[in-house]
Amino acid sequence: GAGVSQSPSNKVTEKGKDVELRCDPISGHTALYWYRQSLGQGLEFLIYFQGNSAPDKSGLPSDRFSAERTGGSVSTLTIQRTQQEDSAVYLCASSFWSSGGPRETQYFGPGTRLLVL
Amino acid sequence: AQKITQTQPGMFVQEKEAVTLDCTYDTSDQSYGLFWYKQPSSGEMIFLIYQGSYDEQNATEGRYSLNFQKARKSANLVISASQLGDSAMYFCAMRGGSNYKLTFGKGTLLTVNP
Repeated sequence: GAGVSQSPSNKVTEKGKDVELRCDPISGHTALYWYRQSLGQGLEFLIYFQGNSAPDKSGLPSDRFSAERTGGSVSTLTIQRTQQEDSAVYLCASSFWSSGGPRETQYFGPGTRLLVL
Repeated sequence: AQKITQTQPGMFVQEKEAVTLDCTYDTSDQSYGLFWYKQPSSGEMIFLIYQGSYDEQNATEGRYSLNFQKARKSANLVISASQLGDSAMYFCAMRGGSNYKLTFGKGTLLTVNP
């Protein structure tokens, strides 16, 4: 079956502009996660969704970052007024969610490489 | 809090030989899961293998096996019969208790030489 897809694969933007990153999870996966990967910080958790709800947004770096998920499927991560430090690879993952225990494997998409000039 | 430590920034191995990538972890959770992912230069994170804290047997998936030593809090990845396509960054990660997010180590860059 199809894996997690993300678009765009690459995005170059100017400082101060808004960007939207899209994630399409594996069909049937109710849990969706956003991570950020940068040279300095490694892999950082940003936010996760269970269905359309985001119980924990504490990983979002600032209020310029927001995310939503509609129909329990596609998710959009929005970065407003981008800054150069936002340059990173943004990875989306999805998983089944049963008891919420540690067995659910997260499957990742190819990522969106964001460069803020 | 959970922490993953990968002490080998880079490793080299000859094709067809075995290689061990180190991972130690720290957590106060009794129930947790340990994962290894492979990230080739293309950037996608590929799931390799999973080990549960209560699993009695070490996990194996094809050429990958996980050397799980619970008392030492280590979860080393063993790749047997290395192939050129194994050249990639390898990340150890954990998810603890009812925690939903993965905590990653810094990764190890494996280079397989012909």
